Amino acid sequence: GAGVSQSPSNKVTEKGKDVELRCDPISGHTALYWYRQSLGQGLEFLIYFQGNSAPDKSGLPSDRFSAERTGGSVSTLTIQRTQQEDSAVYLCASSLGGLAGGETQYFGPGTRLLVL
Amino acid sequence: DQQVKQNSPSLSVQEGRISILNCDYTNSMFDYFLWYKKYPAEGPTFLISISSIKDKNEDGRFTVFLNKSAKHLSLHIVPSQPGDSAVYFCAASANTGNQFYFGTGTSLTVIP
Repeated sequence: GAGVSQSPSNKVTEKGKDVELRCDPISGHTALYWYRQSLGQGLEFLIYFQGNSAPDKSGLPSDRFSAERTGGSVSTLTIQRTQQEDSAVYLCASSLGGLAGGETQYFGPGTRLLVL
Repeated sequence: DQQVKQNSPSLSVQEGRISILNCDYTNSMFDYFLWYKKYPAEGPTFLISISSIKDKNEDGRFTVFLNKSAKHLSLHIVPSQPGDSAVYFCAASANTGNQFYFGTGTSLTVIP
């Protein structure tokens, strides 16, 4: 079956522009996560969606970052007024249930964002 | 603050020998741990997990050991194969939380 897909695979933008990153999770997975991996860093948690519950936004680095998940499926991560330090690989993952059940996360290939 | 640490950024091992990747954590509430493997230009893929009720979990050539008192886990790969060359991330979570905390990764190179 299809895995987690992300688009675009690469995005180059100018400082100050807004970008939208898309994630299509595995069908039936109720949990969806966004992570960021900057050069030389580990994976940094950004936001977590679980079913119809309010998302856990505790990892979002600033109010320029927002995410939504429509219909419990596709998610969009939006970065407004991009800065050069936003350059990173943005990874989306989904799991069948939440972490309390020890569910394995399945990752997409990532979107490589470069802010010039 | 980095709650999960992988202090070795890289490791080289001869094919057929054992690879040992280490991970330390600081949060005593962590009770579930995973290892992910990542090839260039791909997302991480799940490799093996362990819960805090165990101290060892084995899956084929891969074994994860957990030492709760030392807040340390390790991944053993034996025998190592060239296809194992990748970046390995350890991750930890607490059953009270919504997120995994990842280490910075160890790049393993298995030399043929």
